[in-house]
Amino acid sequence: GNSVTQMEGPVTLSEEAFLTINCTYTATGYPSLFWYVQYPGEGLQLLLKATKADDKGSNKGFEATYRKETTSFHLEKGSVQVSDSAVYFCALTSGGYNKLIFGAGTRLAVHP
Amino acid sequence: DAGVIQSPRHEVTEMGQEVTLRCKPISGHNSLFWYRQTMMRGLELLIYFNNNVPIDDSGMPEDRFSAKMPNASFSTLKIQPSEPRDSAVYFCASSDREGSEAFFGQGTRLTVV
Repeated sequence: GNSVTQMEGPVTLSEEAFLTINCTYTATGYPSLFWYVQYPGEGLQLLLKATKADDKGSNKGFEATYRKETTSFHLEKGSVQVSDSAVYFCALTSGGYNKLIFGAGTRLAVHP
Repeated sequence: DAGVIQSPRHEVTEMGQEVTLRCKPISGHNSLFWYRQTMMRGLELLIYFNNNVPIDDSGMPEDRFSAKMPNASFSTLKIQPSEPRDSAVYFCASSDREGSEAFFGQGTRLTVV
């Protein structure tokens, strides 16, 4: 079946450090891939997405490239800020009905 | 659009009571999802609807849980009777087409004492 595996957290970084959160997936067909972010006490918000191989999604300085050959969609940011502290979820949809399958989430804490 | 609207935001109830959570999806979206989030189990998909029809309810934990979508603008998730282990944040989400993202509500934090 379809599944998403992402690196366990928490990830603790200093402000302006480089961020990578790994995400790999297993899916039949050609999934769409997403990164969602959840700030404390809030719902999930879409951060970025990619719908086909080699697409790069980007938003707010975050980037992720859809790599079909390695079935990966790693999230990166060149310089994190304290305000980026949140939980990040990798997800995919495959097949009909947009059923979203989530990874376990990775908590990021950024310190001044 | 106001986004996905869930009510109530917080619910505290006693064990054995019936609880009803409500969701209004974004107008024009034809898929609706109910998720549960806990520290132990993360985000779990409970059930999803397409064009008001339940497509997959395999994530519903047991018969105490039921969900309905009587029309395109409203859905409910009911727990009866509630138990302390049902305490969690319940999210509703909607989307409009295959391959597109889902939009989430703010969630309902349920505490069963």
